Amino acid sequence: GAVVSQHPSRVICKSGTSVKIECRSLDFQATTMFWYRQFPKQSLMLMATSNEGSKATYEQGVEKDKFLINHASLTLSTLTVTSAHPEDSSFYICSANSRGRVVYEQYFGPGTRLTVT
Amino acid sequence: KNQVEQSPQSLIILEGKNCTLQCNYTVSPFSNLRWYKQDTGRGPVSLTIMTFSENTKSNGRYTATLDADTKQSSLHITASQLSDSASYICVVSREASGTYKYIFGTGTRLKVLA
Repeated sequence: GAVVSQHPSRVICKSGTSVKIECRSLDFQATTMFWYRQFPKQSLMLMATSNEGSKATYEQGVEKDKFLINHASLTLSTLTVTSAHPEDSSFYICSANSRGRVVYEQYFGPGTRLTVT
Repeated sequence: KNQVEQSPQSLIILEGKNCTLQCNYTVSPFSNLRWYKQDTGRGPVSLTIMTFSENTKSNGRYTATLDADTKQSSLHITASQLSDSASYICVVSREASGTYKYIFGTGTRLKVLA
């Protein structure tokens, strides 16, 4: 099956700094990628939909100036958490769509654990 | 309102036993329904994807059913193994104006004990 990677897998940063997370589709081109965050024992919450070559679409309540998304190519999307605060500590997961035989397959990355101290 | 509800919230079973997880949805227009397995600290992995016309789909010891009339789905796990301990997430996809939206359930946390 298709593979989606994320880097880094784990990051610790100080409050006020910015952190960039990369999401790559390794063996397919993804015109659409999604960014989620997940708190302990909760399901995934969609933050934004990232389309290659255009501005991301953010979900209600997600600050676009705080969570910068860049989908520069068909295999790479990045999420930058700007001026991170402890409440931004979470598990961030990306996914990428790949056209299957009938429906779009959604492949998830392994996630990035962000801890803001 | 587009929602996906899963039950039970958590489940503990003994190794070798079978179990069934439930998913009810109120998503329209319906495109497809997916079951994912998510190990702790990892990204979800797809188990099955079913479209409107499919009633059942299997993936090894996992069998998913879909009743589009009652808007219910189930995931049956046969002869459970310790490695089945994970969260199982039901996701319903809706298509509107050529774009897809994924509605996530809250998941069922399964614990398989030896």
